[in-house]
Amino acid sequence: QKEVEQDPGPLSVPEGAIVSLNCTYSNSAFQYFMWYRQYSRKGPELLMYTYSSGNKEDGRFTAQVDKSSKYISLFIRDSQPSDSATYLCAMSVSMNSGYSTLTFGKGTMLLVSP
Amino acid sequence: EAEVAQSPRYKITEKSQAVAFWCDPISGHATLYWYRQILGQGPELLVQFQDESVVDDSQLPKDRFSAERLKGVDSTLKIQPAELGDSAMYLCASRTSGRGGTDTQYFGPGTRLTVL
Repeated sequence: QKEVEQDPGPLSVPEGAIVSLNCTYSNSAFQYFMWYRQYSRKGPELLMYTYSSGNKEDGRFTAQVDKSSKYISLFIRDSQPSDSATYLCAMSVSMNSGYSTLTFGKGTMLLVSP
Repeated sequence: EAEVAQSPRYKITEKSQAVAFWCDPISGHATLYWYRQILGQGPELLVQFQDESVVDDSQLPKDRFSAERLKGVDSTLKIQPAELGDSAMYLCASRTSGRGGTDTQYFGPGTRLTVL
């Protein structure tokens, strides 16, 4: 079992739909939780970053973390065709050295049709 | 807006040849990462630098891969000899400091390597 599990999709929705993307993880030491968006043939770009359990909202995006269930979600309201991309969850933990490292999920491909 | 620069963007090579990728992080970023992303997978860390020192290269196939950041600024990742299984996107990322706090890494556009 990988440390971070994420359904690869693709997830197809019509424009205006609410999208829910999810990841589960097994390592309870993960401290920071991030969502990256990656357009085709581009590098990932940071969308959301959260630290504690609960919700964090930024415009049409809401990140949710449930540490007790080891489950994180990203919700996209009023989805747009420009949201079509691969969404990667990522989690970090500090090593004994003090440096931290990121572990990514496989990514979920989202397709929003006009 | 400051960005991580990478070159080349695309590279096609034959197996057993040598290839090299270059990365210039955001100015002032002490920590630099090289990742490999196979199609349909998330990025996987190959090597992490803090300034000019390697902090983590546990996942770097050292028999064929090497990385350096001689002056603690830009970095080069080399593969020699390239194998078919090395075909992937090679991503460079940087952040202000690798210790503690938020792990906000900024990624470059990547180099897509195809080994024939």
